[in-house]
Amino acid sequence: DTAVSQTPKYLVTQMGNDKSIKCEQNLGHDTMYWYKQDSKKFLKIMFSYNNKELIINETVPNRFSPKSPDKAHLNLHINSLELGDSAVYFCASSARLAGDGTDTQYFGPGTRLTVL
Amino acid sequence: AQTVTQSQPEMSVQEAETVTLSCTYDTSENNYYLFWYKQPPSRQMILVIRQEAYKQQNATENRFSVNFQKAAKSFSLKISDSQLGDTAMYFCALGGSNYKLTFGKGTLLTVNP
Repeated sequence: DTAVSQTPKYLVTQMGNDKSIKCEQNLGHDTMYWYKQDSKKFLKIMFSYNNKELIINETVPNRFSPKSPDKAHLNLHINSLELGDSAVYFCASSARLAGDGTDTQYFGPGTRLTVL
Repeated sequence: AQTVTQSQPEMSVQEAETVTLSCTYDTSENNYYLFWYKQPPSRQMILVIRQEAYKQQNATENRFSVNFQKAAKSFSLKISDSQLGDTAMYFCALGGSNYKLTFGKGTLLTVNP
């Protein structure tokens, strides 16, 4: 009965490869997010979707492409992986926005991506 | 732009004692929320407590309470009766109308037996 799940939990790959991380939430939330946590533990928003519509797209290389097939899923696809992409990627979700985007976000367990 | 500052990279406390983690923030919005998240070695991000900016009363959750000083833009977390399981990285976060959380750099708290 995990609320926000991500697969895989660990991902080790070579430079130049393409990989995807999947996220699913069973909380009935309308909004989902991707965050990146770097080696110094700093967390930064990458993307956000509300009802399958992209609402936040921070300055992220276009090698990163989010896809939301439905409001319960938000996947992250990364092309041509680079060493600097090594990080922990967190998916999160929150309830329907009340107009001010301040609903509590619930996080998945994270995916540790290592690029060799 | 929103900013969140946690000025204590690391702290330690003896089991059963009380510790306070500091956080200051800046935002031009009137309606915002503040959060403390905990990240233990398991890596999971766990919500500890939240505070609505329009509420004057400080939020409490069992052993965890906040001191919210809106005019000073300060939001500190007090942990009472510290337990070994409280050992974790603690992040202060600010949410506003731009639909994203802005995090501080975190404070690594170690509870010693």
